[in-house]
Amino acid sequence: DVKVTQSSRYLVKRTGEKVFLECVQDMDHENMFWYRQDPGLGLRLIYFSYDVKMKEKGDIPEGYSVSREKKERFSLILESASTNQTSMYLCASSLNRGRRFFGPGTRLTVL
Amino acid sequence: RKEVEQDPGPFNVPEGATVAFNCTYSNSASQSFFWYRQDCRKEPKLLMSVYSSGNEDGRFTAQLNRASQYISLLIRDSKLSDSATYLCVVMKLGSGYALNFGKGTSLLVTP
Repeated sequence: DVKVTQSSRYLVKRTGEKVFLECVQDMDHENMFWYRQDPGLGLRLIYFSYDVKMKEKGDIPEGYSVSREKKERFSLILESASTNQTSMYLCASSLNRGRRFFGPGTRLTVL
Repeated sequence: RKEVEQDPGPFNVPEGATVAFNCTYSNSASQSFFWYRQDCRKEPKLLMSVYSSGNEDGRFTAQLNRASQYISLLIRDSKLSDSATYLCVVMKLGSGYALNFGKGTSLLVTP
């Protein structure tokens, strides 16, 4: 089975801090994604990557950046965390355009 | 109009009941369709893909009506373990890799 892991399940940071969320997949998938999920808003795509060093903006990229230096790892960076970035962050990977395999999520609280 | 719309529920049904969820999408050129299941505080997982001819997986039946831009999921003989949120997902045309997630329909199956 595909395994997608995320570096933390829960994270508490202060406003203005730089935050790194790490995601690793073990199935050699080309495509990786970062979503955030908020009550009443559902899952929203922040960024995705279809190859090493490649990245594409999703629907809500503002305030975020990403890094994909290795195929198995996709990092989400909050350059200066703000309270409106408090959310559940979900990483996913996929081999093709269909099925996404999600990680367990990181619940980030920005105080 | 939102790209993928679902009735948020909650649907409260007794064990053994049949329950149907509906979903509409706005982009008539959408190409791929899925139902994902998300348990409380867990990540979404693929339940089933949806094909034009309709498809069945055990107690679950998915239907697609392209003319009406409508997708459905039917669950027969509901089990307590079916309690979850069901996400309707549509592949965006021209996005390459991005999926549009509905906000989900909450199901609670009671004894």
